[in-house]
Amino acid sequence: QSVLTQPPSASGTPGQRVTISCSGSTSNIGSNTVNWYQQLPGTAPKLLIYSNNQRPSGVPDRFSGSKSGTSASLAISGLQSEDEADYYCAAWDDSLNSAVFGGGTQLTVL
Amino acid sequence: EVQVLESGGGLVQPGGSLRLSCVASGFTFSSYAMTWVRQAPGKGLEWVSGISTSGGTTYYADSVKGRFTISRDNSKNTLYLQMHSLRAEDTAVYYCVKSRLSSAWSAFDIWGQGTMVTVSS
Repeated sequence: QSVLTQPPSASGTPGQRVTISCSGSTSNIGSNTVNWYQQLPGTAPKLLIYSNNQRPSGVPDRFSGSKSGTSASLAISGLQSEDEADYYCAAWDDSLNSAVFGGGTQLTVL
Repeated sequence: EVQVLESGGGLVQPGGSLRLSCVASGFTFSSYAMTWVRQAPGKGLEWVSGISTSGGTTYYADSVKGRFTISRDNSKNTLYLQMHSLRAEDTAVYYCVKSRLSSAWSAFDIWGQGTMVTVSS
């Protein structure tokens, strides 16, 4: 059972917009910034969004992040086949004194 | 090129010990917090342990507290994870990751390729 809750799966067709949610509590998302990672099959994860809504250099602007209260969301617009991957949210938890990840969401492009 | 390279994984019996190493290059190692993240086969990511730039502050997941020790040698640009009393549930790919900032404890911008640890008799 992960501290941050994500839907296990999501799907969309090419060109569509999909969102992935990440639900936490006041000790993690409510108090700290949220980061998102993309893990393509067979590869190491990659930082996709940091500080709730910032994109590292090289990440397409099709990817966006937001946070409200104790929840965060990752939105992918103009869905492409290469976006098929697992997506994870992460945040620091002040009560646990550790970072926590969501359980991951497997995105399928139909 | 900014990169980190893990080593030291392998097969170990339950109750055994193993030390993972991670050599960093292409950035000022001593300026960034470093972390170990693991991923069990077919499972999600699990944060394991983090260490501050100087090594003076360390954090551990409850699942490894008391059994694992994180350390770093800034003169050698190397991060370590000493693992004792290993259990079957510690079986995973262990990733060495660099924090995006000196003290960004959950924003990791550089990941290694991972080293596999298998705990089995």
